[in-house]
Amino acid sequence: DAGVIQSPRHEVTEMGQEVTLRCKPISGHNSLFWYRQTMMRGLELLIYFNNNVPIDDSGMPEDRFSAKMPNASFSTLKIQPSEPRDSAVYFCASKWANTGELFFGEGSRLTVL
Amino acid sequence: DQQVKQNSPSLSVQEGRISILNCDYTNSMFDYFLWYKKYPAEGPTFLISISSIKDKNEDGRFTVFLNKSAKHLSLHIVPSQPGDSAVYFCAARRSGSEKLVFGKGTKLTVNP
Repeated sequence: DAGVIQSPRHEVTEMGQEVTLRCKPISGHNSLFWYRQTMMRGLELLIYFNNNVPIDDSGMPEDRFSAKMPNASFSTLKIQPSEPRDSAVYFCASKWANTGELFFGEGSRLTVL
Repeated sequence: DQQVKQNSPSLSVQEGRISILNCDYTNSMFDYFLWYKKYPAEGPTFLISISSIKDKNEDGRFTVFLNKSAKHLSLHIVPSQPGDSAVYFCAARRSGSEKLVFGKGTKLTVNP
């Protein structure tokens, strides 16, 4: 049974470039979350969706960040333009709504030079 | 404002001994708590959880204790094994919310 699938696993880009991170949740899960992990702030929630609808995006740092979920099996997190302070590991996670356990992908490590 | 705090960035124990990882929270509306384990280059994986209606939950070598009055929970691992070496995250969720709020993690090292 496939888990949450994220791509790319590693991304190195230059400041000002657009970055798109992708996520395929576990089939049947109807809640999807984007988290960012940094040394300073730990794991922080950026945005989450229920049934493909964004519910809470209060954790999105600024307008340079956007997330979409066009269907139940795909989501993207876009950063445009990227900045060095965006360097972090970005995790996607999914679950059935109203259950406690989140299933995480392996993460996308982003380095912005 | 850190609502979930893990004040020990690291912990080192000997194989076979008990590991105790601590977590404090500030939001009294949290009613469900989880522990996640993370190996390098992997995503966090669920370990054990506890609802606020309980004060203890046990699963094999892992036990989570919840002290609501102190807003404190702890994870006990007995006996500790070298394979338990990982970063452990405490997380909490408020009633009616889907958001999990995580602590910054504690890196556990179990020495053979």
